[in-house]
Amino acid sequence: KAGVTQTPRYLIKTRGQQVTLSCSPISGHRSVSWYQQTPGQGLQFLFEYFSETQRNKGNFPGRFSGRQFSNSRSEMNVSTLELGDSALYLCASSPGGSSYGYTFGSGTRLTVV
Amino acid sequence: AQRVTQPEKLLSVFKGAPVELKCNYSYSGSPELFWYVQYSRQRLQLLLRHISRESIKGFTADLNKGETSFHLKKPFAQEEDSAMYYCALTIQGAQKLVFGQGTRLTINP
Repeated sequence: KAGVTQTPRYLIKTRGQQVTLSCSPISGHRSVSWYQQTPGQGLQFLFEYFSETQRNKGNFPGRFSGRQFSNSRSEMNVSTLELGDSALYLCASSPGGSSYGYTFGSGTRLTVV
Repeated sequence: AQRVTQPEKLLSVFKGAPVELKCNYSYSGSPELFWYVQYSRQRLQLLLRHISRESIKGFTADLNKGETSFHLKKPFAQEEDSAMYYCALTIQGAQKLVFGQGTRLTINP
């Protein structure tokens, strides 16, 4: 059974650019969440999607957005990149949501220069 | 707001010794608590959740609502237990995990 797949693994972008990260959940999982991991702030919740609907959003600026497709695949987008957006972005999937426990992907490491 | 505190950033114990990783939370209702683990160069993975009351790899954790704690314990540490451990909380319907800052556990031979 394939795990959660995130692409790309690494990204280097320039300040002001935008970036799109992709996540393919485990087959049959309808809930996809995104987390930002940094050394200073740890793991912080970005948003969660279930059946193409955003059910919750973390405390991040509007530059961070996401979406989920009918096949449960998800993308997150960050516009007008700032140096502080450099982080490991983790995607996680679950059959139904946070109470089930999540399976995490390997992450996309974004570096903004 | 919900908060999870792991007071120890680093914890080092000898192989065969008991280990306890502390986790305290702040939430007035009935949370669901989890432990996640990240071994070197591996993905973050679910270790156990309080609702299932199971023992995984010899680890157990009991939810103490009176002390708002969910400490992770293992009676005899093994070298392969060396990893980063995160305590996390969710509340029903919130669809998000609130993580602690993590404890890096090192088991010395």
